[in-house]
Amino acid sequence: DVQMTQSPYNLAASPGESVSINCKASKSISKYLAWYQQKPGKANKLLIYDGSTLQSGIPSRFSGSGSGTDFTLTIRSLEPEDFGLYYCQQHNEYPLTFGGGTKLELK
Amino acid sequence: QVTLKESGPGILQPSQTLSLTCSFSGFSLSTYGMCVGWIRQSSGKGLEWLANIWWNDDKYYNPSLKNRLTISKDTSNNQAFLKITNMDTADTATYYCARSGYYSGGGFDYWGQGVMVTVSS
Repeated sequence: DVQMTQSPYNLAASPGESVSINCKASKSISKYLAWYQQKPGKANKLLIYDGSTLQSGIPSRFSGSGSGTDFTLTIRSLEPEDFGLYYCQQHNEYPLTFGGGTKLELK
Repeated sequence: QVTLKESGPGILQPSQTLSLTCSFSGFSLSTYGMCVGWIRQSSGKGLEWLANIWWNDDKYYNPSLKNRLTISKDTSNNQAFLKITNMDTADTATYYCARSGYYSGGGFDYWGQGVMVTVSS
């Protein structure tokens, strides 16, 4: 199985700041990485797939980069609604695997 | 508008079989490239993928659950199902169904709200 390691585990930031969340795969997954946002009481939201493709309806302040084993989700100019949990997931091979999550908190 | 909703028993005893239903609208599982998957999340823990079923009836399972999983679909009624046998307290979790497929590169682009399942004697 491809192990996905996210960092940092916790991240504190203020509205208007930019943040980056990293995801490392235990072996190459080409470009096939997705990023999700999870918030209480709301359905999980797909932000990015194929490493850098912005899902329809997602604000352009979200961006993804990387390939192979190292990927980054960047959120520019944080908005209050951006605080929550973020997960990466590889969709290169079965079994599909998720990272452990990053909690983005308000500083 | 794409929606998915999970339903299940809520609580069951160890060794019983869990039967979950995902009722969806806004797409068809008979459409080329479409897929529905099941993912679970234990309280305070991360996401664990369980199974996918594709429009052509291809099925994929998480081998960590060995032979306990069965995924199926009813295209006519826009439903997907997941059965997990021999449930244990460690299977207590929120279970989600989500849409995937070629159109989202394999990512899950729409999720249900999840259904909580508790395994307790």
